[in-house]
Amino acid sequence: DTAVSQTPKYLVTQMGNDKSIKCEQNLGHDTMYWYKQDSKKFLKIMFSYNNKELIINETVPNRFSPKSPDKAHLNLHINSLELGDSAVYFCASSEVSGNTIYFGEGSWLTVV
Amino acid sequence: AQSVTQLDSHVSVSEGTPVLLRCNYSSSYSPSLFWYVQHPNKGLQLLLKYTSAATLVKGINGFEAEFKKSETSFHLTKPSAHMSDAAEYFCVVSERNFNKFYFGSGTKLNVKP
Repeated sequence: DTAVSQTPKYLVTQMGNDKSIKCEQNLGHDTMYWYKQDSKKFLKIMFSYNNKELIINETVPNRFSPKSPDKAHLNLHINSLELGDSAVYFCASSEVSGNTIYFGEGSWLTVV
Repeated sequence: AQSVTQLDSHVSVSEGTPVLLRCNYSSSYSPSLFWYVQHPNKGLQLLLKYTSAATLVKGINGFEAEFKKSETSFHLTKPSAHMSDAAEYFCVVSERNFNKFYFGSGTKLNVKP
């Protein structure tokens, strides 16, 4: 039973398209995150939501818009995709205390 | 301010020999420290964590790490490397009771037969 699940795992799309990545966690956590991992494996936080409210919004183009319909879901919508958006996107969750963060399996986005 | 430095971007060991992956951190508060492993094309899996209990922390797959406050280090070790240990390893620090996690740049472990 997967704790943090995200779909799709692989996504190949053309420049200019709009795409969404969905994430769900069944751990009962209040906080969810989106991280971006570049080709050099560096992980950078993009967004963090606590109980459906945005609490961290790093410097990310406004083409990226997170949406949290409830505390178990945090989706990432990307408009007008660019080549530089190609990366692995990880969803994650943690308890409010931030004690441990649990990751999904990642979504490999390739923009051509 | 929090930060994490993984001192080696690549480490190569022979199967059966010890593994040492180094991590130094800076933290203004009492930190929580973690090691995660990422196998190729996979997500990040928690190996172990330190949250102010025993300074020597044992994790999965025979890994352990020691929190040394005086040295601000949290190095990851394993007595005997296995081929399946080949992966990318990330050291992470977080501020307790906050929701910020700071990742190191990763260390790629290569295990030679």
